[in-house]
Amino acid sequence: EIVLTQSPATLSLSPGERATLSCRASQSVSSYLAWYQQKPGQAPRLLIYDASNRATGIPARFSGSGSGTDFTLTISSLEPEDFAVYYCHQQGTFGQGTKVEIK
Amino acid sequence: EVQLVQSGAEVKKPGESLRISCKGSGYSFTTYWIAWVRQMPGKGLEWMGIIYPGDSDTRYSPSFQGQVTISADKSISTAFLQWSSLKASDTATYYCARREYNTSPLDFWGQGTQVTVSS
Repeated sequence: EIVLTQSPATLSLSPGERATLSCRASQSVSSYLAWYQQKPGQAPRLLIYDASNRATGIPARFSGSGSGTDFTLTISSLEPEDFAVYYCHQQGTFGQGTKVEIK
Repeated sequence: EVQLVQSGAEVKKPGESLRISCKGSGYSFTTYWIAWVRQMPGKGLEWMGIIYPGDSDTRYSPSFQGQVTISADKSISTAFLQWSSLKASDTATYYCARREYNTSPLDFWGQGTQVTVSS
């Protein structure tokens, strides 16, 4: 069973700063990795699929990269609405999440 | 418009049974998998299992095998998650979500069903 490990657990940043979130797989998942955003009291929302493709309606400040075992989600300039928890996901496994909080 | 609409919040006692639902609309229900995901209070997302309504092919995460039953009724475009005997540790929000292929992302999600199990 593949294990996804996200880091850091918490990222404290200010609006306008760049956020870099990491997801590492215990074995290669090719490019089949997705990222989701979850805000309190809401269902998760798909941001990125196949490692680097933005889902419909997702702003260009969100980008994904990586393949194999190492993946990155980058938010180029944080907007107030971007402070949330982010999860990576591959088939039947989720990472434990990274909380992006306001510094 | 694609929608997954889940049944409402439930409050149950330990030992009771429960079935919650997820109704799909705006797409071909039988050609997308429906996954169930658990989120315990203040915790992350956990994959429970998945069903293909077209032929009821069902796969469970090892952690949930034998603990829940996933089913679907394609005639009413609805998937179900059920428990025969609830425990306090089943208290959580449960989400359904769809995906097209094994390697596809979960592109649409239900709004979640909160289940509280307390004596």
